[in-house]
Amino acid sequence: GAVVSQHPSWVICKSGTSVKIECRSLDFQATTMFWYRQFPKQSLMLMATSNEGSKATYEQGVEKDKFLINHASLTLSTLTVTSAHPEDSSFYICSAIRDRGSNEQFFGPGTRLTVL
Amino acid sequence: QKEVEQNSGPLSVPEGAIASLNCTYSDRGSQSFFWYRQYSGKSPELIMFIYSNGDKEDGRFTAQLNKASQYVSLLIRDSQPSDSATYLCAVSPFSGGYNKLIFGAGTRLAVHP
Repeated sequence: GAVVSQHPSWVICKSGTSVKIECRSLDFQATTMFWYRQFPKQSLMLMATSNEGSKATYEQGVEKDKFLINHASLTLSTLTVTSAHPEDSSFYICSAIRDRGSNEQFFGPGTRLTVL
Repeated sequence: QKEVEQNSGPLSVPEGAIASLNCTYSDRGSQSFFWYRQYSGKSPELIMFIYSNGDKEDGRFTAQLNKASQYVSLLIRDSQPSDSATYLCAVSPFSGGYNKLIFGAGTRLAVHP
């Protein structure tokens, strides 16, 4: 199997606060995880690639100081949205690569973030 | 030009018919191609992937790849109402990292009884 979980599944926070989202691979070790953001009726936009033990690689236009990514172990990556604002409200989805050298990504169930 | 293009739809087909979903991509060096299904409010789930030119069949689904024309398609035979979802085409580009995927905006499919 290749099960990826995310926590929390949804979160509501006040503007200016920080929110941490966890992504875990439950039955495999993932050296590479990805973080996506999806706005309503739009496609997935890759935010960053997270590699265990190294700094994340951010896509152009994604603020690394605002979206902090930590991949401290082979089964856990975290995304922290710092000083969240209403425009950060979105569906955040992580994915993980199970097989080294593979392009197949297994997706987590997503986290719905609403910033008031 | 968008890297991966799909018709947004909705594509409406009657139950039992064949649904044909198309995708074009701009990076001629792309190596891997994926079709994901996404239900409203849920994350994508992989339907199938294809690496080589030609057809690849898996149950009611057939993926077709034509690298010369830079398009990939997905056929769904005997469409069911439960197939109603948004179908995302994803492409792994030659450059920018071996594992990276670029997604199209998706085609919304509606199968009506």
